Amino acid sequence: AQKVTQAQTEISVVEKEDVTLDCVYETRDTTYYLFWYKQPPSGELVFLIRRNSFDEQNEISGRYSWNFQKSTSSFNFTITASQVVDSAVYFCALSEAKRAQKLVFGQGTRLTINP
Amino acid sequence: DAGVTQSPTHLIKTRGQHVTLRCSPISGHKSVSWYQQVLGQGPQFIFQYYEKEERGRGNFPDRFSARQFPNYSSELNVNALLLGDSALYLCASSLGRAGLSSYNEQFFGPGTRLTVL
Repeated sequence: AQKVTQAQTEISVVEKEDVTLDCVYETRDTTYYLFWYKQPPSGELVFLIRRNSFDEQNEISGRYSWNFQKSTSSFNFTITASQVVDSAVYFCALSEAKRAQKLVFGQGTRLTINP
Repeated sequence: DAGVTQSPTHLIKTRGQHVTLRCSPISGHKSVSWYQQVLGQGPQFIFQYYEKEERGRGNFPDRFSARQFPNYSSELNVNALLLGDSALYLCASSLGRAGLSSYNEQFFGPGTRLTVL
């Protein structure tokens, strides 16, 4: 069975602080994909990143970075020097390669960046 | 290019009624998936359609059904509405079916917010 756990329900930080959103996943497949999505108040899910289970290299995109560790089944997301515009709900998701169009989402983490 | 579009934006129904939600995928995309997002939770997979055939179904009752048309647009139907069906319904489209060595990115629409009174 697939499962994604985001233990942090809400996080609130002051602008320019660094913040890490945790994601732990469960799957029995050896080939799978991991994702992060951002959901602003408008409701539309905005794709941020996808990682293949065979690629454990960490990735950096501007102020965003992702740490994928298969040994701990974690795929954490860090925002450096946070900005008010980063305020949103962030979802981690998993799909198994055999059913790749089915995304299993975590409960989400509501991130509030205060000025 | 237009993204995924959904209609209506908002909808209010009463218990026991029926509802139809519509989704138009990005041009050239042949796969459409539906998700239900209850307030405060992550989206849950309902259906996937590819080339007008159902390719995946989540753990939802038979009151939920869908179909895909020759132009790849899709409808989600929910019968005998319950209060618990109140949610944001999201549609996602992608080019096609993914395989073990490839993945077709899913693009989400803005959603239809359904309120059941």
